[in-house]
Amino acid sequence: TQLLEQSPQFLSIQEGENLTVYCNSSSVFSSLQWYRQEPGEGPVLLVTVVTGGEVKKLKRLTFQFGDARKDSSLHITAAQPGDTGLYLCAGAGANNLFFGTGTRLTVIP
Amino acid sequence: DTGVSQNPRHKITKRGQNVTFRCDPISEHNRLYWYRQTLGQGPEFLTYFQNEAQLEKSRLLSDRFSAERPKGSFSTLEIQRTEQGDSAMYLCASSSLLVQGSSPGELFFGEGSRLTVL
Repeated sequence: TQLLEQSPQFLSIQEGENLTVYCNSSSVFSSLQWYRQEPGEGPVLLVTVVTGGEVKKLKRLTFQFGDARKDSSLHITAAQPGDTGLYLCAGAGANNLFFGTGTRLTVIP
Repeated sequence: DTGVSQNPRHKITKRGQNVTFRCDPISEHNRLYWYRQTLGQGPEFLTYFQNEAQLEKSRLLSDRFSAERPKGSFSTLEIQRTEQGDSAMYLCASSSLLVQGSSPGELFFGEGSRLTVL
């Protein structure tokens, strides 16, 4: 049982389209991280959000942390084939990091 | 230091056999985590160490699983009497504890050890 549910589970879009991935939980987290994982590799950190309502931008990626620090979203503008991968949100507990169920994104050229 | 190293990368074993995975974290990192990941899913927490102390274990970590970090450097994860349900990718990650009691910072992952139990 994982504390964070991500939606959608799978997403296949054309290059140039926009998309949003959601990460929801009933638990409050002190911070939330987003990772991307490519086949055969471990997850790699994209961003950490700490403050409720915080918005962070990383080039074409926009991350938002919910006001109540229970949910987050990742929006990608003008998706590119290089964005293909498994996107994971992870909520920070007192000493640990709990990962979401994952969203597998495929961007078709 | 080139990052977190795990070996073996792949292990195929028969049901009932014991297997051991090794993780060498980034040298200056004092926290080490083990996760299990099945295909297309997010990693599930198994256990973590701060230096040599194992501070938390998941309920997923049955009595067939044991992890050690004897000198606060490398860690091993042993699975005894493997079952087909143990087939998964076992990921190790390390991080640097900046402030005692603080939330974990960035986790640096290894490439994982893939276990297949026949």
